[in-house]
Amino acid sequence: GESVGLHLPTLSVQEGDNSIINCAYSNSASDYFIWYKQESGKGPQFIIDIRSNMDKRQGQRVTVLLNKTVKHLSLQIAATQPGDSAVYFCAETGGGGADGLTFGKGTHLIIQP
Amino acid sequence: NAGVMQNPRHLVRRRGQEARLRCSPMKGHSHVYWYRQLPEEGLKFMVYLQKENIIDESGMPKERFSAEFPKEGPSILRIQQVVRGDSAAYFCASSSSGTENTEAFFGQGTRLTVV
Repeated sequence: GESVGLHLPTLSVQEGDNSIINCAYSNSASDYFIWYKQESGKGPQFIIDIRSNMDKRQGQRVTVLLNKTVKHLSLQIAATQPGDSAVYFCAETGGGGADGLTFGKGTHLIIQP
Repeated sequence: NAGVMQNPRHLVRRRGQEARLRCSPMKGHSHVYWYRQLPEEGLKFMVYLQKENIIDESGMPKERFSAEFPKEGPSILRIQQVVRGDSAAYFCASSSSGTENTEAFFGQGTRLTVV
């Protein structure tokens, strides 16, 4: 399954399938990007990050892709599990604005059994 | 090593009262960030503090809101004369340096309800 994080708030995938969550950012000067997972009633949990001098980074079952040309970030989750159900946010910083992170609106990932 | 601790987890205030939200960063972290999250939305940056200093408060409303991070004790986000629109989840994050260089860890948040 695939979604544009800022325009399709919910993504539903079958357990075991791969999922792709997309995010568009606006500040071309941003140089540090992070994906967070937020479960209901909890704080954001760091998943993976990437700096602007890279275009791909892999973690355990997750891969982040960065396309600076079109200011696009994606999170790929392989072999989704029920515990992956959550809202996923992309965040950026380093663009010379506020010192904090700028978050996208989030995509709600639902894993169907 | 305990994570970022926020308390209370839930806070109910009547309009016009004051709300005090506390955040104890992870051990060894001297950078604290406060964010606000409205339902179904992403987190919005409010303020960035280091010990005894406000570094960036560009995201914080000019009136009624204040933040501090004293030399000893937790960081405090204070909202005076609360209004219904202040109802939100307030999250604190801490890092060992600025977020451009290191991962920021979030607390579980304080859910403020103004009645």
